Amino acid sequence: AQSVTQLGSHVSVSEGALVLLRCNYSSSVPPYLFWYVQYPNQGLQLLLKYTSAATLVKGINGFEAEFKKSETSFHLTKPSAHMSDAAEYFCAVSGGSGYSTLTFGKGTMLLVSP
Amino acid sequence: NAGVTQTPKFQVLKTGQSMTLQCAQDMNHEYMSWYRQDPGMGLRLIHYSVGAGITDQGEVPNGYNVSRSTTEDFPLRLLSAAPSQTSVYFCASSGPGQVGRVAFFGQGTRLTVV
Repeated sequence: AQSVTQLGSHVSVSEGALVLLRCNYSSSVPPYLFWYVQYPNQGLQLLLKYTSAATLVKGINGFEAEFKKSETSFHLTKPSAHMSDAAEYFCAVSGGSGYSTLTFGKGTMLLVSP
Repeated sequence: NAGVTQTPKFQVLKTGQSMTLQCAQDMNHEYMSWYRQDPGMGLRLIHYSVGAGITDQGEVPNGYNVSRSTTEDFPLRLLSAAPSQTSVYFCASSGPGQVGRVAFFGQGTRLTVV
């Protein structure tokens, strides 16, 4: 079975500041990990994924995440926040059901102030 | 390339009514899933399919029915709508050969049961 914990339902940063969104997972099999972003009234868009190739994964819009097996973490970072980054972010793990489904965290709303 | 298409985008039902949420994908993906999104709960898996004629239950299957007669379509049926089924529903698909099985999401169906 898999589970995902996202620390902080809301994170507030100033424009230009570092963005750090936390994600911890548990999985009984080697996991695939994902970050998705959801803008208001939209579907989910893939930011980046970890599939055991490299522990530091770069995604779209300047985001990256580092897989740390010892800490069972997959935190999302961006060096400098932009107003357009304001959205809800979901961490997800795949591994059950033959890797055909996702287990999501509860989401973190990123608020960016000028 | 349309990707994953969900219809309708919005729907209001009365308690006890039945309806079908439609989902179609044009990417020849073998895996399809339905999730519901509720505030503060993230996305939870309702049902999924690993190919035509094969379906299975997810985390919250009660009150919903699915079938998969073709690769392209995966409709979700609400048998007798209840206010607890007020939610945003997302359909997702993923295909073979994609390491980590990246899921592509539709734009969602916002359902209100009164």
